[in-house]
Amino acid sequence: EPEVTQTPSHQVTQMGQEVILRCVPISNHLYFYWYRQILGQKVEFLVSFYNNEISEKSEIFDDQFSVERPDGSNFTLKIRSTKLEDSAMYFCASSGPRDMVGRSGNTIYFGEGSWLTVV
Amino acid sequence: QKEVEQDPGPLSVPEGAIVSLNCTYSNSAFQYFMWYRQYSRKGPELLMYTYSSGNKEDGRFTAQVDKSSKYISLFIRDSQPSDSATYLCAMSFNSGGYQKVTFGTGTKLQVIP
Repeated sequence: EPEVTQTPSHQVTQMGQEVILRCVPISNHLYFYWYRQILGQKVEFLVSFYNNEISEKSEIFDDQFSVERPDGSNFTLKIRSTKLEDSAMYFCASSGPRDMVGRSGNTIYFGEGSWLTVV
Repeated sequence: QKEVEQDPGPLSVPEGAIVSLNCTYSNSAFQYFMWYRQYSRKGPELLMYTYSSGNKEDGRFTAQVDKSSKYISLFIRDSQPSDSATYLCAMSFNSGGYQKVTFGTGTKLQVIP
């Protein structure tokens, strides 16, 4: 069954460095998302992306963040200059339309996450 | 008032017990209601999805939605140690095609053998 895949699973970076997190959404899905979960806290929405444009972004998603779909399969999240408080699990997700294995277009499916540690 | 409220637990039950997990919400715009299971340092795994009031059953899991009371529940029958995880309720509405999802804080469940 197709899944959302993310790389890397874990990255340690120094404060101020740029980080790119990569995702391959489920084939045929059209909407892509990034969420963040700081250790011990709730899953928080960062950004949604459709038709090569940001659909919506949260207040967390400031100018340090950007998203891109550089080709037909990858979806990336870039953090330009990382801060200590960016340490978190970052989840990519995708949704809709109803895909080849019949999953609903009305809910989103998550990858396993990329654990980012900023030191 | 938070949009979605969920008791963080932890909830500890003996193997074989029936587990009841609950969330309340305040936003009447929510159309779809999900339960995700999350193991430590892993991504949320979709367990149940429903969009109408009533019950939906899948194996040992039953999701219940009461839109009039803005209350959703997940019941786990015959709980197993492998059910030990954090359970996230999530609610969404369709916003121009994409899903705007709001999560609860998650309830940590431990099933003791």
